[in-house]
Amino acid sequence: GESVGLHLPTLSVQEGDNSIINCAYSNSASDYFIWYKQESGKGPQFIIDIRSNMDKRQGQRVTVLLNKTVKHLSLQIAATQPGDSAVYFCAENNRNQFYFGTGTSLTVIP
Amino acid sequence: NAGVTQTPKFQVLKTGQSMTLQCAQDMNHEYMSWYRQDPGMGLRLIHYSVGAGITDQGEVPNGYNVSRSTTEDFPLRLLSAAPSQTSVYFCASSYSGTGELFFGEGSRLTVL
Repeated sequence: GESVGLHLPTLSVQEGDNSIINCAYSNSASDYFIWYKQESGKGPQFIIDIRSNMDKRQGQRVTVLLNKTVKHLSLQIAATQPGDSAVYFCAENNRNQFYFGTGTSLTVIP
Repeated sequence: NAGVTQTPKFQVLKTGQSMTLQCAQDMNHEYMSWYRQDPGMGLRLIHYSVGAGITDQGEVPNGYNVSRSTTEDFPLRLLSAAPSQTSVYFCASSYSGTGELFFGEGSRLTVL
């Protein structure tokens, strides 16, 4: 089966600092990747996505980087705010199936 | 738009009982899917559908059935519940199988 892993299960950052959450994926045939944010008791919310023909994509305060050579995905959050505290999941898509990582819990320290 | 609506939000079952988790979306999405979320395991795909009348198995399909008679609805059936099916279940939909997934709020199921 697919294997989507996250390098760190927890991450604590000071408010205002930048956050970087990493993710490794195993299937080189995966062609679409998404980052989700999940707050306690809620469903995952879309943050940003990237297709395999791109290396970088930027959104509002977030950037996703894709390194296909080493099968690595990262999410960068600029000027992290207390509202960014949540669990973050990466997901890869292959043949209409999404495979999710186990999540990284981000805590923002005021 | 309501988005993706799941019912019930909470359910307690006894081992061997059956039940259906309902999922409806009003975004005219062709793709719908069910996931279970367990502590430390992330979200795992149970079943998915790329359109009405078409369903397929995901990573963990055993013990679950689905059907897709309309574009809007994608119910998940547990025919004989087991304690191992205690989990939080999420339904998600997308325009296609390779686009942003929109998730429901989840259904927390406990099997005693």
